[in-house]
Order: sequence, then C-alpha cells, then structure tokens
Amino acid sequence: DAGVTQSPTHLIKTRGQQVTLRCSPKSGHDTVSWYQQALGQGPQFIFQYYEEEERQRGNFPDRFSGHQFPNYSSELNVNALLLGDSALYLCASSLGPGATYEQYFGPGTRLTVT
Amino acid sequence: AQKVTQAQTEISVVEKEDVTLDCVYETRDTTYYLFWYKQPPSGELVFLIRRNSFDEQNEISGRYSWNFQKSTSSFNFTITASQVVDSAVYFCALSEVDTGNQFYFGTGTSLTVIP
Repeated sequence: DAGVTQSPTHLIKTRGQQVTLRCSPKSGHDTVSWYQQALGQGPQFIFQYYEEEERQRGNFPDRFSGHQFPNYSSELNVNALLLGDSALYLCASSLGPGATYEQYFGPGTRLTVT
Repeated sequence: AQKVTQAQTEISVVEKEDVTLDCVYETRDTTYYLFWYKQPPSGELVFLIRRNSFDEQNEISGRYSWNFQKSTSSFNFTITASQVVDSAVYFCALSEVDTGNQFYFGTGTSLTVIP
C-alpha cells in the first residue's frame, strides 16, 4: 500500500521564479492538505483540497495556489518566490475533509530560494 | 496568539527513563480534535494519536500514554522506558471542527534519548 508521495525531493529556485510541487495521496484517500514547515518550526497549514476544490485556507498570500486532479493528486504552486519561502513543504492526505480524519504525511519537498 | 503551545523546546533523557512532553492548547470550539505526531530525522511526520474533545479518557499504547485534561487545556504525552529510537521531534496539533477544520501545530519538542 503506497503512502503519500511527493516530488521533487529537493528544489533550488531563484527569487521571483515560480515553482510547482506535486503530491500523490495514500491509496483510498480523497483529501489533500499542504503545509509549510520552516526550519525549527511546526508545520503551517496552507490549504486543503477536496473534490477538486480548495476547502480551507490558512494565512498564506495569493502567491500560493493549488490544484487537485480527478485522481486526487495535487499540485502546490508558488509564484514570485521570496527568500522566506525556503522551507520543507509537506503534503498530507486523509479519508475526507476536515478534522475528523487523521492525516498521513509525505516525506516533503525541500525548497531553497536563493 | 498561539493555539498550540509546546513550552519544552528540547529535552534530553537517558535511555530507560520516562519522559513527558507537554502540550497546551487554546480554542473556543466545543468540538475539536487533538493529535500527536512524531518527526524523526528523516523528516516524515508519523501519526501517533487522535483524541476528540468529548473523550477525556487517558490512553495507553505500549510505552506511550496520553493524558487529556480539558480543565487545563492540556494533552500531554508520556514515553515510558525511553529508547534511542524515540529520539525525534514531537508535535502536538489541534483541529477545530466548529470554526473551519484547520490544523494548528505547535512548535515541537525535540527529544534526545542518550544511550
């Protein structure tokens, strides 16, 4: 049973560029959430996708956008990258939206902005 | 304001000692969930436990136990007879059902178990 997978593992971008991160949920899961984890900090909720729509959003600017595909996989897009966007980006999947279900996390994508 | 506070930034214990990781949360919702996750050096968050706001029973799973007290808004985690493999960063998290279902994580407690 495949768990949550994310690609790429590592990424280096320059300020002002755009980046796309990808996530495939655990088998049987239809909900995907994205988190940003800065070094030494806890994960910060970015948004959650269910039925191809953004259902919840944390306190992140519009430069952060996402998409969910019919097969439940998801992308996170970040435009106009800032140095402060350097972080580990975690994807989590669950059996449904909201708080009822535990979230299973992927290994993350380490983004470095120079 | 921080919704989840983990006041202990780093803890070191000697193998076989017991250790308790503290978690204090803040919410006005009556329905919410509390979680503990483990993040080993590999980076992947591992789910440990979920507890809803209506269930204050303590839970034990092997060497792990959790103490949920609504009166003090705390959800503490105890590892009994710690082992080197327990070394990791542990995160407490809150999800508020009434007001949006967002997940809020604490800043984590880094546990080092010394052999």
